[in-house]
Amino acid sequence: AQKITQTQPGMFVQEKEAVTLDCTYDTSDQSYGLFWYKQPSSGEMIFLIYQGSYDEQNATEGRYSLNFQKARKSANLVISASQLGDSAMYFCAMREGGNTGTASKLTFGTGTRLQVTL
Amino acid sequence: GAGVSQSPSNKVTEKGKDVELRCDPISGHTALYWYRQSLGQGLEFLIYFQGNSAPDKSGLPSDRFSAERTGGSVSTLTIQRTQQEDSAVYLCASSPGGSGANVLTFGAGSRLTVL
Repeated sequence: AQKITQTQPGMFVQEKEAVTLDCTYDTSDQSYGLFWYKQPSSGEMIFLIYQGSYDEQNATEGRYSLNFQKARKSANLVISASQLGDSAMYFCAMREGGNTGTASKLTFGTGTRLQVTL
Repeated sequence: GAGVSQSPSNKVTEKGKDVELRCDPISGHTALYWYRQSLGQGLEFLIYFQGNSAPDKSGLPSDRFSAERTGGSVSTLTIQRTQQEDSAVYLCASSPGGSGANVLTFGAGSRLTVL
């Protein structure tokens, strides 16, 4: 079974509008972390936002917020006031194990390509 | 250094040849990761080093792939007898530790093309 599922291969949004990129995850761990990364056409991976499984508040970083619904196992990324520079691939990722010291790799989803239009 | 450095940035090789890809992590980062990204695809985990612990090799696709990390710093990913399906961008990342909120910082990648 997929650990991270991103069901939207591509999304379009108009400049200045908000957009939600979907991410669902599967884990039996109680302690885990969720990440979103952006990959522009240049190829670099840029960290956007992190949500810990025990964090009660949804994470926010500037125009990015993470809509964390633990019971539904979803961690959707919301981008407000989209800009042309937001056009990129967006990857959701999970690290299982939390702060046990045995946690390891990030598992990535297949990504969503976002295109911001005028 | 200021960021994760990878070399070479581009490598073209012939099928059957061996290649080595190098990663210099951020100074002080104890965790180092290798991922592979095929054209238009997501990131595929290959291997993970954390401090002096035994590496997690669970993602290596075959015994042609190996990696080492010397002195807890620089890492080399070696692919022996390369095949065309090995063509991909190989991404290295490092983080201050392996757990919790520690964020992975990625290098720019090494693009491997096997002819």
